[in-house]
Amino acid sequence: AQSVTQPDIHITVSEGASLELRCNYSYGATPYLFWYVQSPGQGLQLLLKYFSGDTLVQGIKGFEAEFKRSQSSFNLRKPSVHWSDAAEYFCAVMSGATNKLIFGTGTLLAVQP
Amino acid sequence: EPEVTQTPSHQVTQMGQEVILRCVPISNHLYFYWYRQILGQKVEFLVSFYNNEISEKSEIFDDQFSVERPDGSNFTLKIRSTKLEDSAMYFCASSEARSGDTEAFFGQGTRLTVV
Repeated sequence: AQSVTQPDIHITVSEGASLELRCNYSYGATPYLFWYVQSPGQGLQLLLKYFSGDTLVQGIKGFEAEFKRSQSSFNLRKPSVHWSDAAEYFCAVMSGATNKLIFGTGTLLAVQP
Repeated sequence: EPEVTQTPSHQVTQMGQEVILRCVPISNHLYFYWYRQILGQKVEFLVSFYNNEISEKSEIFDDQFSVERPDGSNFTLKIRSTKLEDSAMYFCASSEARSGDTEAFFGQGTRLTVV
């Protein structure tokens, strides 16, 4: 069965530091992968997506993610974190004939001044 | 920018009562979804809807749940007899197509509290 694992439940970084959030997936075919961000009390906003082609994808707010098939990973990165990046981040894989999303458990990012 | 809108933002209901959560998907979208997020847990797929019928549903989506597109714009989720464990944030989403090269747009969610 398809699944997504985000091994880090909670991460704290200092403002200006680099960030990497880990995501591993289990999927039989070529995956369609997504990163969403959820600010407190808000809905889910798409940061970036991977469908095919270049394995390094750029997203909004200065985020990028790299698809590595050999490692079944799709880690999210940002070179310099801003305090406004504090939020929960969800990795997801698109699955099935109806394109439902299967989400990971999320990583809560805290940013220290 | 088009967006998915959900009402109400917060609903409190007594156990056993029926609730209807409402969503207005993006106007040219054809695929509609409901997800839920129990507090502190991950977002879970409930149901997908296309061409006025359910395309896929999860194990969570049992007989107490139903979805409907009563007119050309609204997409509703009904819970017939709410239980305490139905307390969650419910997200509506829509997408333009079913092909792989598409994305789902999410609403802001309805927080349902069953007391």
